[in-house]
Amino acid sequence: DIVLTQSPDSLAVSLGERATINCKSSPSVLSRYNNKDFLAWYQQKPGQPPKLLISWASTRESGVPDRFSGSGSGTDFTLTISSLQAEDVAVYYCQQYYGAPLTFGGGTKVEIK
Amino acid sequence: EVQLVESGGGLVQPGGSLRLSCSASGFTFSSYWMNWVRQAPGKGLEWVANIKGDGSEKYYVGSVKGRLTISRDNAKNSLHLQMNSLRAEDTAVYYCVGGLGFLMDVWGQGTPVTVSS
Repeated sequence: DIVLTQSPDSLAVSLGERATINCKSSPSVLSRYNNKDFLAWYQQKPGQPPKLLISWASTRESGVPDRFSGSGSGTDFTLTISSLQAEDVAVYYCQQYYGAPLTFGGGTKVEIK
Repeated sequence: EVQLVESGGGLVQPGGSLRLSCSASGFTFSSYWMNWVRQAPGKGLEWVANIKGDGSEKYYVGSVKGRLTISRDNAKNSLHLQMNSLRAEDTAVYYCVGGLGFLMDVWGQGTPVTVSS
């Protein structure tokens, strides 16, 4: 099974500051077939289902603000919120869809400092 | 509007059974892989199972193999999860989730399942 390790477990960032979340995959989720990383990022606010933010490690979904960006390849990935807004308070999860069983990282709780 | 609505959750005793359902609308259901993802109280997300659009392939997480069975009825745009031999650790909110391929991009609101005596 592919294991995803997220860090940190939580972080507190001031409004307007940058938030960075890391996700490490073991093994790699990079496909040699299409040279794409099968890695997604989700945002979950309290009492709501998760929302897909980013697919293929760096492709923002329609309607997602451009302050959210994904980067990385192979085994190391990062979700960056460039300027934290109050509505970004949530838990963020990385997830691999390279193969079954599909797996999630443990989640990172983002709060306002 | 793309929509997934789960039903069938509730309280069940350990060792009991429950059948979850998910009704889909607003997209071509038979083209989508469908998944069940669960979230225990205060915990993270756990993928449970998925099924290909035509039902020809199914995959499960190891902890539910032999106890939970995923199925679909494309004529009725519905997804099901038959849950047998339930354990306390199966207590969670169960989400119905769809996607083209293994990427999951359409989520329902979830239905809660509590396994307790």
